[in-house]
Parts: sequence; C-alpha cells; structure tokens
Amino acid sequence: RKEVEQDPGPFNVPEGATVAFNCTYSNSASQSFFWYRQDCRKEPKLLMSVYSSGNEDGRFTAQLNRASQYISLLIRDSKLSDSATYLCVVNMKGDDMRFGAGTRLTVKP
Amino acid sequence: DAGVIQSPRHEVTEMGQEVTLRCKPISGHNSLFWYRQTMMRGLELLIYFNNNVPIDDSGMPEDRFSAKMPNASFSTLKIQPSEPRDSAVYFCASSFLLDSPLYRYGYTFGSGTRLTVV
Repeated sequence: RKEVEQDPGPFNVPEGATVAFNCTYSNSASQSFFWYRQDCRKEPKLLMSVYSSGNEDGRFTAQLNRASQYISLLIRDSKLSDSATYLCVVNMKGDDMRFGAGTRLTVKP
Repeated sequence: DAGVIQSPRHEVTEMGQEVTLRCKPISGHNSLFWYRQTMMRGLELLIYFNNNVPIDDSGMPEDRFSAKMPNASFSTLKIQPSEPRDSAVYFCASSFLLDSPLYRYGYTFGSGTRLTVV
C-alpha cells in the first residue's frame, strides 16, 4: 500500500458543481494532515489544514476519518478558478510529510 | 517576509556537469525540505533538516546528490555529476517544527528550480 494515495482523476465538473476528493494514508500514527493546491508550473500552496473535528473555510470543507485512515476535501459551488491539482499531505513520522500524487480538477463553464 | 527564495529559477546544463541549487527559507522557520517533482513520480522528499541538522536523507537518490545547511538562512542541493534523468523541478520548502503550535500553517514552498540536463 502506498503511504499516501489519491485518485488521480481528472475530475471534470461544470461551474457550480460540488466535488469531493478522498485520500487514504498508511500510517495509523500520522498526526498532521493538509490539503495543498498546485497550479500548472507553480509551487504547491497550502489550501487548508485538516483537524480531527473537521473544518470549513468558505466553500471548502476538510474532514478526517482516523478509523478508516482517510481525509477528504469537499468543494461546493465550484468556480473556474478552482481548476488545479489538489495534493493530500500526511506526516509519516516526525516532520516527514508525504505528498499524494494529486487529483486534477478542471471546472468548465 | 519574501517567502522561500530559490535560485536559479531555471538551469540547463550538460550531462556530467555539477549543479548547485540554492534556498533561503522563511526567517523563523526551523525545518527545511528539498523535494523533487516529475510527471512520473510526483513530489518526492529528498532530504530535510531541523535546526540546520539533516534528519532524514533516505530520499536522496544516490551519492551524486548532496545537501548542506550551513546556517538557518541558507541551504544548497548539489548534483555532481548531473545526468539527464535528474531533469525535474526541485522545490525547497520550510516550516515550523512539528511540535510548534504554528505547525498548522504547514509548509511554504519556494517557486522551484526547473533543471534540465542535456
């Protein structure tokens, strides 16, 4: 099993749609979780941290399921500007953070 | 703060040449990471430092790669000799330590160095 696994997509959705990504991780002792966004030919940028109780930031909602070892990202009311690759990040041990391969999202008019 | 600063932005070199990539982390961050990104393998962690000390270099592909962090504000990644398969985007990132309450802000990445070895 890969350390951090994501569905690579691509996800092609119309504007206004709701889309959800899942990410599974192998280390049950992992403590820190993040979602990053990467635009084409740019560096990854932090989208949001994922807290145990789940958290929301505007149209974005992140959730953690420790029992099943996955995190999720929900995007509501998709915008054209949401088109990007979304990377799941999980710490394996200490400060060692591992990135998933990313899920590509394209939002179309 | 200017963020994580990497140089050069682009590097084209011939096989066999030495390549040095540079990184200046965000002031106050204690951890520094070097990643490599390719289409085939995604983002791979090469090495990371805590308080200037290398913690895990298990991701360094082979002896041709070396990294140093002589002080809190500077790190280098060196490839000698370079090979065409080293062509990739190399990212440097920095963060607070895991046990810091500020760790929730995650990593900040530099703009990357796009390396092409011909």
